[in-house]
Amino acid sequence: AQKVTQAQTEISVVEKEDVTLDCVYETRDTTYYLFWYKQPPSGELVFLIRRNSFDEQNEISGRYSWNFQKSTSSFNFTITASQVVDSAVYFCAWWGDFADGLTFGKGTHLIIQP
Amino acid sequence: GAGVSQSPSNKVTEKGKDVELRCDPISGHTALYWYRQSLGQGLEFLIYFQGNSAPDKSGLPSDRFSAERTGGSVSTLTIQRTQQEDSAVYLCASSSPSLTSGGSYEQYFGPGTRLTVT
Repeated sequence: AQKVTQAQTEISVVEKEDVTLDCVYETRDTTYYLFWYKQPPSGELVFLIRRNSFDEQNEISGRYSWNFQKSTSSFNFTITASQVVDSAVYFCAWWGDFADGLTFGKGTHLIIQP
Repeated sequence: GAGVSQSPSNKVTEKGKDVELRCDPISGHTALYWYRQSLGQGLEFLIYFQGNSAPDKSGLPSDRFSAERTGGSVSTLTIQRTQQEDSAVYLCASSSPSLTSGGSYEQYFGPGTRLTVT
């Protein structure tokens, strides 16, 4: 069965520091998708990115970047020059062609201190 | 456009009562999902609807849980004879199916219904 592990329960950094959130997954599927979601204090899950298993290109969107490495089954998320508004719980998730719902990691609570 | 909406936003009920939670997906999204978020269990998938197809109910935590989707749009999640362990935030999401792989694109979530069973 597939599994998503976010080993970092909580990370606290000072504003403007760079921070990387780790995500490791386990699957036997050859076709699958990986996601990152943000859950701010308001509670609503916000979609950030989707990658499919055939595309290992790293992606950058503003201060956010994602590093997908199939060799290590990892899909890490880096925030550059963090801001207080980045404070939230971040979830990594997996979905496969034969899955119904997303499999989520336990989440990483990111605290950005001013 | 409008996102996924859920009602009520909060529900407090007494143990043993039935509750109904409603989800209105994004217009045009044929896939609809229910999840539950609790401190102990994290985010758990419950059930998935694709269009008007019958859902796979194996993810529902017990036979007290049921869900239906009318007309391929609005969905209700019903919990009968609520128990304290049912207290959680119930999240609904919808997505638009991929045209190539037959799978689903990213899921967009509603604000959730916080259920408290006293």
